Amino acid sequence: QVTLKESGPALVKPSQTLTLTCSFSGFSLSTGMRINWIRQSPGKALEWLARIDWDDDKFYSTSLKTRLAISKDTSKNQVVLRMTNMGPMDTATYYCARMGHWLYYFDYWGQGTVVTVSA
Amino acid sequence: DIVMTQTPLSLSVTPGQPASISCRSSQSLLHSDGKTYLYWYVQKPGQSPQLLIYEVSNPFYGVSDRFSGSGSGTDFTLKISRVEAEDVGLYYCMQTIQMPWTFGQGTQVEIK
Repeated sequence: QVTLKESGPALVKPSQTLTLTCSFSGFSLSTGMRINWIRQSPGKALEWLARIDWDDDKFYSTSLKTRLAISKDTSKNQVVLRMTNMGPMDTATYYCARMGHWLYYFDYWGQGTVVTVSA
Repeated sequence: DIVMTQTPLSLSVTPGQPASISCRSSQSLLHSDGKTYLYWYVQKPGQSPQLLIYEVSNPFYGVSDRFSGSGSGTDFTLKISRVEAEDVGLYYCMQTIQMPWTFGQGTQVEIK
């Protein structure tokens, strides 16, 4: 059974760095697999943020790439997203989602974690 | 970045009636491998998004046959043949032909 779960702080202060962890089970980040981060700010559309592939290739949103860093720990079945210089506009629900072997769609999603940026 | 434009942004439908959502991309989503990298997701209230249709017209596992997708190049449509109460949610198109991947603005479907 494939599951993904996001974890991290519910509240961060402006200018702080957010660290989110996606812990997954039921599969390994093997050849052809990818993990993505997507967010949804209140009342706004889904926004793709970052992707990491089985071979450690990394890709980022154009508008956020200077603030994002994605990494993986294959031994722990985890993917970590770091976002620096958090501001109120970063208040959102953050999801991690899997792309299965050589697929280009999200076949499994986590439940999401809500992050609020406030002093 | 490829811009995905959905219309309408909201839709109020009588149960049993059809509904249609349009999605237009700023560049062709047809790849040289012959696939078109256009997907439809729905986010039901309080839930994570879930895949409905992949590569324009292929229903994902377990998706009702009331949902169908069509289109080519830059113009795509999601149709619901007979809307039911459980179809309430936000519908998004998304492209994965070119990084960064991008979503449409979303279309809110509600029941009259």
